[in-house]
Amino acid sequence: SAVISQKPSRDICQRGTSLTIQCQVDSQVTMMFWYRQQPGQSLTLIATANQGSEATYESGFVIDKFPISRPNLTFSTLTVSNMSPEDSSIYLCSVTRADTYEQYFGPGTRLTVT
Amino acid sequence: KNQVEQSPQSLIILEGKNCTLQCNYTVSPFSNLRWYKQDTGRGPVSLTIMTFSENTKSNGRYTATLDADTKQSSLHITASQLSDSASYICVVSGGGADGLTFGKGTHLIIQP
Repeated sequence: SAVISQKPSRDICQRGTSLTIQCQVDSQVTMMFWYRQQPGQSLTLIATANQGSEATYESGFVIDKFPISRPNLTFSTLTVSNMSPEDSSIYLCSVTRADTYEQYFGPGTRLTVT
Repeated sequence: KNQVEQSPQSLIILEGKNCTLQCNYTVSPFSNLRWYKQDTGRGPVSLTIMTFSENTKSNGRYTATLDADTKQSSLHITASQLSDSASYICVVSGGGADGLTFGKGTHLIIQP
């Protein structure tokens, strides 16, 4: 399996500020993803974090709003920029391993924007 | 368009009772179907993964079935416990950048 930790676990932020979420995995993985889960909804893929290059964003998500870094195979960050109350969600890091079908999810970061 | 539909949206049952959650999908190409359990405030945790050739898979009191012809899956929970209260998400692999299409989940509440 893969053990994923995220920091912070939760935060309350003011409108217009930015928050950087960290994701650390205990083993080298092939793919790392960032998801958003809005209240009462399922998971929506924000982007694929690519090691050493720009992330690949899904429709509706842009780099200026959600800059992502992945400096190595076990670590990634997601920044939520210029936050508004609509950004209040749970943000989840997820990874896949090359040797299994499994996709593992981090515990999530619960963000509230006031 | 790839879609995963789950029913019911929410369910309340008494502790000790059994229940079955449903998942219908229209995802192509199909690779595998997963059921996840998501406790409130936590990330999803995998319960089962089934490929095209598998009809059933169990994980303790959880048993998942798959009918690839009708594109339906179910998750049966036996002798429910309070700790089973969670959202159960059906995820089908075969579409999207991450290869996954997520259902909206069934919110299950177990009452004592």
